[in-house]
Amino acid sequence: IAGITQAPTSQILAAGRRMTLRCTQDMRHNAMYWYRQDLGLGLRLIHYSNTAGTTGKGEVPDGYSVSRANTDDFPLTLASAVPSQTSVYFCASKRDILTDTQYFGPGTRLTVL
Amino acid sequence: QKEVEQDPGPLSVPEGAIVSLNCTYSNSAFQYFMWYRQYSRKGPELLMYTYSSGNKEDGRFTAQVDKSSKYISLFIRDSQPSDSATYLCAMSAVRSQGNLIFGKGTKLSVKP
Repeated sequence: IAGITQAPTSQILAAGRRMTLRCTQDMRHNAMYWYRQDLGLGLRLIHYSNTAGTTGKGEVPDGYSVSRANTDDFPLTLASAVPSQTSVYFCASKRDILTDTQYFGPGTRLTVL
Repeated sequence: QKEVEQDPGPLSVPEGAIVSLNCTYSNSAFQYFMWYRQYSRKGPELLMYTYSSGNKEDGRFTAQVDKSSKYISLFIRDSQPSDSATYLCAMSAVRSQGNLIFGKGTKLSVKP
């Protein structure tokens, strides 16, 4: 099935723990994105990657890191989780930076206690 | 002032009503305008895309862009309960950069 998968679907995490959210797309899209969505704040860009091997910082990158070793995968790592990172995280992709349609994954609900 | 402003609602309308959803923005460089629909506990999906000023129609949905007023709208005709969702506007300035700026979303409920 073509599209974006995210794992896990949801997670409860103790503060201070390390966590990696996984994102995989099978559309051979070059550009990928990580957003967090919080009530009253909307979607905010955390990190992005325009093509495999490159990454960039978005609006709210602190406390998060990403890597893009290949086209399909774009994991997001929280090195030491804090309660303010409780959110719903969405991965998105698009064919390349010159196209406009971003496709979103189903999201990961993360709670940091 | 936020780059993109969108009334969060909630907005409740009866089935069959015409719905008007709006966003204002401050960056005059924005040229690419999108509307995403997000059902509860799902990811956003692209609904409408418009370049620069003008109207675009797709079935019951019409997107309007007024760059002189920095104002975009989404109209839904003959609204259905299945239209109940959160609608997010999004826009970008430089196509080669490609990063979208999203509004906070308006929650719409269409009552049967």
